[in-house]
Amino acid sequence: GAVVSQHPSRVICKSGTSVKIECRSLDFQATTMFWYRQFPKKSLMLMATSNEGSKATYEQGVEKDKFLINHASLTLSTLTVTSAHPEDSSFYICSAKGTENNSPLHFGNGTRLTVT
Amino acid sequence: QKEVEQDPGPLSVPEGAIVSLNCTYSNSAFQYFMWYRQYSRKGPELLMYTYSSGNKEDGRFTAQVDKSSKYISLFIRDSQPSDSATYLCAMSAGYSSASKIIFGSGTRLSIRP
Repeated sequence: GAVVSQHPSRVICKSGTSVKIECRSLDFQATTMFWYRQFPKKSLMLMATSNEGSKATYEQGVEKDKFLINHASLTLSTLTVTSAHPEDSSFYICSAKGTENNSPLHFGNGTRLTVT
Repeated sequence: QKEVEQDPGPLSVPEGAIVSLNCTYSNSAFQYFMWYRQYSRKGPELLMYTYSSGNKEDGRFTAQVDKSSKYISLFIRDSQPSDSATYLCAMSAGYSSASKIIFGSGTRLSIRP
């Protein structure tokens, strides 16, 4: 089945630094990728929709200058958490849909970010 | 009212039991319905994907969609301890790659050996 690879799986950084998370579709092309945030025992919260070759669309309340998204190719999207703070600590998950209509959504394995 | 409602559980059943997980929704435009399984500290894994009403079976899993009642179900037969996870329903109105998918809050399921 379709595979979405997310890297790193776990990262610890200091306050004020920036962290980049990569999301790759390994065996299919994805014009659209999605970035989610998940708090413990809570459901997925959509942060932004990443479109290949254009600007990402952010959900209400998500700071686009803080969560920079780049979708440089049909198989790679990156999320950069800039000037990270402890409240940014969370589980970040990316997902991707194939370019064909009716393609289901496949998820990466998530990145556990801890900001100290 | 949330667009998608899902009982968070936790739901605990003995091994071998039939498990029924459900979601209700309010948007009649939803046509694509999915069930995901998420183990702790992992990304969600697609289990079932159905279009419109009806049933779909895959091994021990059966997905049902009743659009008239705006109700979807996932049945797990012969449940195993390895089925213990959080199950998320999800749905969307469109089929394009950019269609927004709405998730339920997830039901935590525990299968007792």
